[in-house]
Amino acid sequence: DTAVSQTPKYLVTQMGNDKSIKCEQNLGHDTMYWYKQDSKKFLKIMFSYNNKELIINETVPNRFSPKSPDKAHLNLHINSLELGDSAVYFCASSGRLAGGPKTQYFGPGTRLLVL
Amino acid sequence: SQQGEEDPQALSIQEGENATMNCSYKTSINNLQWYRQNSGRGLVHLILIRSNEREKHSGRLRVTLDTSKKSSSLLITASRAADTASYFCATDQGNDMRFGAGTRLTVKP
Repeated sequence: DTAVSQTPKYLVTQMGNDKSIKCEQNLGHDTMYWYKQDSKKFLKIMFSYNNKELIINETVPNRFSPKSPDKAHLNLHINSLELGDSAVYFCASSGRLAGGPKTQYFGPGTRLLVL
Repeated sequence: SQQGEEDPQALSIQEGENATMNCSYKTSINNLQWYRQNSGRGLVHLILIRSNEREKHSGRLRVTLDTSKKSSSLLITASRAADTASYFCATDQGNDMRFGAGTRLTVKP
């Protein structure tokens, strides 16, 4: 079974549109994240939620709005898409290795292309 | 803000050779982790080293950590073509983890 899943895998859309990406984890983790990976492969954290509460909100345009309906889901809604939003968006959740430090489990990514 | 910075950005070696990747960071950490990303896929956790550890092994992987220099290295011994991927270090600062831009490793058969 997939631990962290994202939909859709690919998203091609026009500038100005609004789109959502969904993420679900079945690992029972309390913390979930959204990352953006640009064309240079740099991975930047966007948001982090712990038990449905926002705990990290990096400098991200307010066109990006995360929503966590429950602990297992963290969706990302993007309004008024711009060309620069084209990237791969990764969802992740974090849990502890045998009670030790947290490690992250990543979804397969959503490749967003804004035309 | 970006934390881990990997070096080199790209590395190309022959199968059987060893590959060494370095990571530098800026602030205090609880632990440092290395992840691997195959092309078109999400990151996968490889190995974790705590701030009070200096070296750790896992199979063909060896990680070192020098907290005085704020640096870590990942050594992959006897590389295989299947090791071709991007490798990222990530620093655990308590509330979150910060990733660098990664090292792109190509292992030629």
